[in-house]
Amino acid sequence: DGGITQSPKYLFRKEGQNVTLSCEQNLNHDAMYWYRQDPGQGLRLIYYSQIVNDFQKGDIAEGYSVSREKKESFPLTVTSAQKNPTAFYLCASSTRDRRTYEQYFGPGTRLTVT
Amino acid sequence: GQQVMQIPQYQHVQEGEDFTTYCNSSTTLSNIQWYKQRPGGHPVFLIQLVKSGEVKKQKRLTFQFGEAKKNSSLHITATQTTDVGTYFCAGRDGGYNKLIFGAGTRLAVHP
Repeated sequence: DGGITQSPKYLFRKEGQNVTLSCEQNLNHDAMYWYRQDPGQGLRLIYYSQIVNDFQKGDIAEGYSVSREKKESFPLTVTSAQKNPTAFYLCASSTRDRRTYEQYFGPGTRLTVT
Repeated sequence: GQQVMQIPQYQHVQEGEDFTTYCNSSTTLSNIQWYKQRPGGHPVFLIQLVKSGEVKKQKRLTFQFGEAKKNSSLHITATQTTDVGTYFCAGRDGGYNKLIFGAGTRLAVHP
């Protein structure tokens, strides 16, 4: 089955630790995205990548880092510099076809930092 | 920067009543998309509108894109409990691939 997988579903970390969230897609999509969602709020873009080995900062990139070494994978690292890391993190992907552009979302990772 | 505002933030209705959520952009959009997120789930794409004044229907859902391409609406006729969730609009201003999401409207349906 084609889709996007994120792991783990729930993640707990101590303050001061870096943590990496996994995102893998087998949809052959060029573009991938990371969003953050806080309770009762919308989606805020952290980073996005339109092609392998290239990525751009979104609206709230501070305290986060990404890499895009493979088309299928777009891991997100939440660093200790992120002041409020507890949130629901969603990964998405899309084609670069201007006729569609719909984004397919993974199931998300709920990160809790204490 | 570009902003997409969505109202209301929250609405609860009795099953069978209609529901509408509105989306407004600070800039002209090249297209607008709508997504639904069920409680505890992830956003799922519903539809994309591209043309000025466009209207699209999906069963009980009607989507409109304004003439100026700066606003959009989603109307649900005769809501059902399966309509529960948060509805997001997301606009693109012509920039390549990047979407700006509204804050969403959370719909609760009471049987």
